[in-house]
Amino acid sequence: DTGVSQDPRHKITKRGQNVTFRCDPISEHNRLYWYRQTLGQGPEFLTYFQNEAQLEKSRLLSDRFSAERPKGSFSTLEIQRTEQGDSAMYLCASSQGGRIQETQYFGPGTRLLVL
Amino acid sequence: DQQVKQNSPSLSVQEGRISILNCDYTNSMFDYFLWYKKYPAEGPTFLISISSIKDKNEDGRFTVFLNKSAKHLSLHIVPSQPGDSAVYFCAASAEYSGGGADGLTFGKGTHLIIQP
Repeated sequence: DTGVSQDPRHKITKRGQNVTFRCDPISEHNRLYWYRQTLGQGPEFLTYFQNEAQLEKSRLLSDRFSAERPKGSFSTLEIQRTEQGDSAMYLCASSQGGRIQETQYFGPGTRLLVL
Repeated sequence: DQQVKQNSPSLSVQEGRISILNCDYTNSMFDYFLWYKKYPAEGPTFLISISSIKDKNEDGRFTVFLNKSAKHLSLHIVPSQPGDSAVYFCAASAEYSGGGADGLTFGKGTHLIIQP
């Protein structure tokens, strides 16, 4: 299977702890996106990478959130000092960038619950 | 302010009939539209897309129609099957995002229920 994969699929943590999620994109895709989805809402854009460069950040991405894509392959999303409001599904997507009107393909998501 | 709106939270259709899911948008810069299907506890799965230079795109049982003047698009599923029961998200993107996010803008989704 060469789809987008995410790890872990579920994470339960206590408020104030740090968490890190990993995303492995489709191998030939150079763009990688992070989204957050809460109950009853559609996915909301957080940030994206073109290769290893982080090119855009949403205003939703507070300074407690940091994302990296060190070698232009997999990416990590870290949330420091988690808050209950961080509880959500965190989705990763990848695409073959450089083309207009590209299609993003999503992974299964990491569901975070902050107690 | 929601730029992509799906005003029907849920839709119930009989198996074999046509399902029509609607989506409206407000940002005239959007030029590419996509439909995703999502099952519980899974990520969205890409279904079909349409460029703003077209008014219709068809792929098997799925057809998307775009009415740019009305800023409206719809997804038709014919015939509807039990496996089509899922949440459907409309999403849009702009080639030139004016310095904003390059991500997709999603609606809140419509829960489609196919009844036997």
